[in-house]
Amino acid sequence: EVQLVESGGGLVQPGGSLRLSCAASGFSFNYYWMNWVRQAPGKGLMWVSRINNDGSSTTYADSVKGRFTISRDNAKNTLYLQMNSLRAEDTAVYYCAKVGDISSSGEFDYWGQGTLVTVSS
Amino acid sequence: QPVLTQSPSASASLGASVKLTCTLSSGHSSYAIAWHQQQPEKGPRYLMKINSDGTHSKGDGVPDRFSGSSSGAERYLTISSLQSEDEADYYCQTWGTNWVFGGGTKLTVL
Repeated sequence: EVQLVESGGGLVQPGGSLRLSCAASGFSFNYYWMNWVRQAPGKGLMWVSRINNDGSSTTYADSVKGRFTISRDNAKNTLYLQMNSLRAEDTAVYYCAKVGDISSSGEFDYWGQGTLVTVSS
Repeated sequence: QPVLTQSPSASASLGASVKLTCTLSSGHSSYAIAWHQQQPEKGPRYLMKINSDGTHSKGDGVPDRFSGSSSGAERYLTISSLQSEDEADYYCQTWGTNWVFGGGTKLTVL
């Protein structure tokens, strides 16, 4: 059974940093691209970042470029999101999501349960 | 990069059928999309992928009541024999250089 379990969310002050983790199991983690998606309170889904299967290529939404860094440790089956210079508008539930096709782009076929990040003084 | 448009809300009666629409922006009618369901206070769940020719593939454990189709730039999700647990937000998604979501449709089961 595929499982994605996020952790690391919490309350942080504006300008602060936080690192999210997503522990993956039930599939060959090193074969699949992974993503982070966020959802602000009462709003829709917004794609944040993706990383390819070996970690050599990453892309970001314009709103987080230069502040967030996605990475992965295939030996630990874990995806990360390092978030720096956090702003109030980064407040959201952050989900990790697995791409369905091996070693390529495509739809998200599994999601985690999410972790809440609140940026407030 | 394509833009996806969804109606903000839809409603249908218990036991009835409903068809949700996701419209791809001009010039992107060949793109495949995916549908995701988000029940209240839960994370999203993948339902299915729909190709431009209408063929679709479902996620694990998705009931047969859920089906997909396509016409031009529109991609559809049809839910038949509506149940109370189908009351949820439904998002369509597509991908190119990056990933894009529609604004979501809130489905109310009356």
